[in-house]
Amino acid sequence: QSALTQPASVSGSPGQSITISCTGTSSDVGTYNYVSWYRQHPGKAPKLMIYDVSNRPSGSSNRFSGSKSGNTASLTISGLQAEDEADYYCSSYIGSSTPHVVFGGGTKLTVL
Amino acid sequence: QLVQSGAEVKKPGESLKISCKGSGYSFTNYWIGWVRQMPGKGLEWMGVIYPGDSDTRYSPSFQGQVTISADKSISTAYLQWSSLKASDTAMYYCALCGSGYSYFDYWGQGTLVTVSP
Repeated sequence: QSALTQPASVSGSPGQSITISCTGTSSDVGTYNYVSWYRQHPGKAPKLMIYDVSNRPSGSSNRFSGSKSGNTASLTISGLQAEDEADYYCSSYIGSSTPHVVFGGGTKLTVL
Repeated sequence: QLVQSGAEVKKPGESLKISCKGSGYSFTNYWIGWVRQMPGKGLEWMGVIYPGDSDTRYSPSFQGQVTISADKSISTAYLQWSSLKASDTAMYYCALCGSGYSYFDYWGQGTLVTVSP
């Protein structure tokens, strides 16, 4: 069982906007601004899309944005494109007696 | 750039060490880690190492199950098993961390490990 909870699937039509949620606890998402989002196409390595809740890596599309409220972080993709169809994973730092990072279970985005 | 060693096929009980060679950056100044992806499943954070001083962090789920190490003289990180199980069959990615070790900035191509009798 993943420490971070994501919806199993979301879908949207080209040009629309979608949001993927990532729910954690006060030990991770709720306390630390260390939430990241990754996109993974089938058979490929993951790619960083958002780090530290809302920062985009250099060269990344501004159609991707991140936010956080309480124990839930969100990834919003605007202007959906066919290439956005992929699996998306959130991750968060966990501050515990053994600090580490945990991924969410992943969300399959289908572009209709 | 991170270049991982090739696919491996092993039997249960055997040992294994896979590698990840970094280039194009200061290997000793950034955390580097490992992520497991079992067939058809999601990503799992295993642990990271800071090659500068070999400081290591493990996920509680993987602590004691694997060993992460690094040889800074050849800019290479390793993931090691002493006794493989069938359940270790997975794709293993190495990845370079950004600031601290809270996220992975760059990823290797992955190493497929198959454990079968």
